[in-house]
Amino acid sequence: DSGVTQTPKHLITATGQRVTLRCSPRSGDLSVYWYQQSLDQGLQFLIQYYNGEERAKGNILERFSAQQFPDLHSELNLSSLELGDSALYFCASSAPGQGKYEQFFGPGTRLTVL
Amino acid sequence: TQLLEQSPQFLSIQEGENLTVYCNSSSVFSSLQWYRQEPGEGPVLLVTVVTGGEVKKLKRLTFQFGDARKDSSLHITAAQPGDTGLYLCAGVPYSGGSNYKLTFGKGTLLTVNP
Repeated sequence: DSGVTQTPKHLITATGQRVTLRCSPRSGDLSVYWYQQSLDQGLQFLIQYYNGEERAKGNILERFSAQQFPDLHSELNLSSLELGDSALYFCASSAPGQGKYEQFFGPGTRLTVL
Repeated sequence: TQLLEQSPQFLSIQEGENLTVYCNSSSVFSSLQWYRQEPGEGPVLLVTVVTGGEVKKLKRLTFQFGDARKDSSLHITAAQPGDTGLYLCAGVPYSGGSNYKLTFGKGTLLTVNP
């Protein structure tokens, strides 16, 4: 158990809909990262938040947004869903100030868009 | 082009065999990490290598960081069915700045048959 929690575990929805994925980082970690994993693309970095502020952006679509709240939990919002958005979405967290960039991953949310 | 190239992409071996998987790049990395991911689960951090030429051992797993910090290898001795999984290498390219985008290779899918 990494200490990172994600909900829900599974999500099935229809095209055009909007969903929210939730992540709670390990106790004491200030950074939260979101990744998308699909069979053909592998693990793709989406976005990073550090102590409530956006720190880095990766291959995140404009239909997707995220935020980190004062209690450090984070939400990833996916809107106008398309079939191609079906994937595993992972959240990871890391401790502040460490130079090894080690990240600890949650169990993931499997999103299926029908 | 993929910043981190992992090879082989797939590997199927018998229990008791030895194997090596590789993670290569043309970029220099501050550190490299190896993760193992089981189906439907999040990646689990195995090890971080930081110093060029560094060798780390984790039971039957031996990790090496290249002298130039551009590549890494993972060697497994006497593989067990429990070693089955997707092995991912990841790192942050050394840029001298505060770029925290952890880049993942596409992974090596290892199957150890009993």
